[in-house]
Amino acid sequence: ETGVTQSPTHLIKTRGQQVTLRCSSQSGHNTVSWYQQALGQGPQFIFQYYREEENGRGNFPPRFSGLQFPNYSSELNVNALELDDSALYLCASSPQTSYTGETQYFGPGTRLLVL
Amino acid sequence: GEDVEQSLFLSVREGDSSVINCTYTDSSSTYLYWYKQEPGAGLQLLTYIFSNMDMKQDQRLTVLLNKKDKHLSLRIADTQTGDSAIYFCAEREEGSQGNLIFGKGTKLSVKP
Repeated sequence: ETGVTQSPTHLIKTRGQQVTLRCSSQSGHNTVSWYQQALGQGPQFIFQYYREEENGRGNFPPRFSGLQFPNYSSELNVNALELDDSALYLCASSPQTSYTGETQYFGPGTRLLVL
Repeated sequence: GEDVEQSLFLSVREGDSSVINCTYTDSSSTYLYWYKQEPGAGLQLLTYIFSNMDMKQDQRLTVLLNKKDKHLSLRIADTQTGDSAIYFCAEREEGSQGNLIFGKGTKLSVKP
């Protein structure tokens, strides 16, 4: 158990809809990263938040957006869902910004299916 | 760009040692990680190694790093059926903002 929780565990949406996924970081961790894991692939970095600011972004379009709250919980929002957005979405928390190389601890993920 | 490569499958008998291999391309990688993923679950951190080390041992796990060849391996001694899972190698480059670059994972099957 990493102490990182995510909700919901599973979600089904239709193309064009919007979705919000939630993550609660491990206590004391102020940095959260989000990853997308397509079936049969390794996770791909979406973005990271540190102290409520976006702190780095991978190769994902602007319809993927996020928020981090003062209590360090976080949201991932995806607008205009596409079929290829079907994946396991993982959040990972770490104690501080990763310039120090702090290890990331992953939650169990939210499995999103877009029909 | 950066790339992490792993073989996709490995099958061993219970009690044998397993060796999972990984190659990476970014010579500025500072930390290299091994994560385990069981079916339907998130990623569990197994171990990590800093790039100035060449070996790290943690109970049944041994990580070997050949920085010259950009090759990382994970050895699991006395492999058990509970070790059956997908194992991901990941790298983080120096100065990156938390961007872990993962391989596609190696599926380890342990036969009784």
